[in-house]
Amino acid sequence: QVTLKESGPGTLQPSQTLSLTCTFSGFSLSTYGLGVGWIRQPSGKGLEWLANIWWDDDKYYNPSLKNRLTISKDTSNNQTFLKITSVDTADTATYYCVRIGVTSRISFDYWGQGVMVTVSS
Amino acid sequence: DIQMTQSPSSMSASLGDRVTITCQASQDIGNKLIWFQQKPGKSPRPMIYYATNLADGVPSRFSGSRSGSDYSLTISSLESEDMADYHCLQYKQYPLTFGSGTKLEIK
Repeated sequence: QVTLKESGPGTLQPSQTLSLTCTFSGFSLSTYGLGVGWIRQPSGKGLEWLANIWWDDDKYYNPSLKNRLTISKDTSNNQTFLKITSVDTADTATYYCVRIGVTSRISFDYWGQGVMVTVSS
Repeated sequence: DIQMTQSPSSMSASLGDRVTITCQASQDIGNKLIWFQQKPGKSPRPMIYYATNLADGVPSRFSGSRSGSDYSLTISSLESEDMADYHCLQYKQYPLTFGSGTKLEIK
């Protein structure tokens, strides 16, 4: 059974660094063709892709966030991490992690429940 | 970046209606498109992958199709449980991009 769960600070202040963790089970990032992605959604708005990390440590980022993103993984402990530097109120959103795969059938198939992050002074 | 123009942004339909939502891709995405359903307070759920393939557990009244650069999600006979937001995602090219979403309401 595949599960993912995000965790984060809840609230942080502008200019701080947001650190998010995705803890998953039911698959491994040592498996060829699998990865984890991060997506966010401001309340009442659409979805925005942020970053992907793959089994081979290949990483991809959304350039709209101007180099503020860092994605990493701990394969042994089934976790991925996303850091966003210099946050401001526009980063207030629900953040999701999702399983991705090189095969379409298993890409974006399992999502975490999401974690709400509020940036406020 | 590939732009995904999703329409309509919202719609209201009656139970039993046939409903179609469309995403137009600004460049060729070669069927690399997923449709998601999202209910209030919930995570997105994949409904259609690779443009036309039904995801596991999705009712057969849902279908996906392609005509040129237009990708469509169709519900053949609307049921009350289909009230939700729907999103498309292209995964042909980075950065991955979503459509702006469609809010589907029941009349």
